[in-house]
Amino acid sequence: DTGVSQNPRHKITKRGQNVTFRCDPISEHNRLYWYRQTLGQGPEFLTYFQNEAQLEKSRLLSDRFSAERPKGSFSTLEIQRTEQGDSAMYLCASSLEGQENYEQYFGPGTRLTVT
Amino acid sequence: QKEVEQDPGPLSVPEGAIVSLNCTYSNSAFQYFMWYRQYSRKGPELLMYTYSSGNKEDGRFTAQVDKSSKYISLFIRDSQPSDSATYLCAMSFGRDGDSNYQLIWGAGTKLIIKP
Repeated sequence: DTGVSQNPRHKITKRGQNVTFRCDPISEHNRLYWYRQTLGQGPEFLTYFQNEAQLEKSRLLSDRFSAERPKGSFSTLEIQRTEQGDSAMYLCASSLEGQENYEQYFGPGTRLTVT
Repeated sequence: QKEVEQDPGPLSVPEGAIVSLNCTYSNSAFQYFMWYRQYSRKGPELLMYTYSSGNKEDGRFTAQVDKSSKYISLFIRDSQPSDSATYLCAMSFGRDGDSNYQLIWGAGTKLIIKP
């Protein structure tokens, strides 16, 4: 399968714990996006990488959230001191520079439940 | 008021019916208009995109954009039970936009096609 992959698919954690999610984009894609989606809502933009550079962060991304893409390939999203409000689906998408930005390909998401 | 408004549904129609899904938006600077389909517990997948105003057809799907009314539509002909999913509209400003790598999403309409 050459699509975007995300791991884990589900994560249940207790409030106050740290969690880390991984995204592997389509291999030749140099742009990578993180979104958060809650039930009954569309995805909300969190952050965006072009290669290893993090070019934009949403105001939604509090200081408890950090994302990295160390070698311009896979990316990790870490949430520190999780809160119940962090419960959501975290989606990763990738695209290729030179294409218009509608051509984002999404992974299956990581569903986070904070108890 | 949200930038992009979309009726969450659910919209239930019999198999074979023509389905009309719609979004309205407030920012006239949007240039690219996309429709994504999302099955339960999956990431969104791009169905169609349109640049500026006009129609675009792809098989059973037709996308329409009316920039003067700030209104976009997706029509599905000969609807099938496999079309049952949540349909999300998304928009962006395009290359010359202020944040052209961000998609602004509707909340999604849940569509149910009854056999």
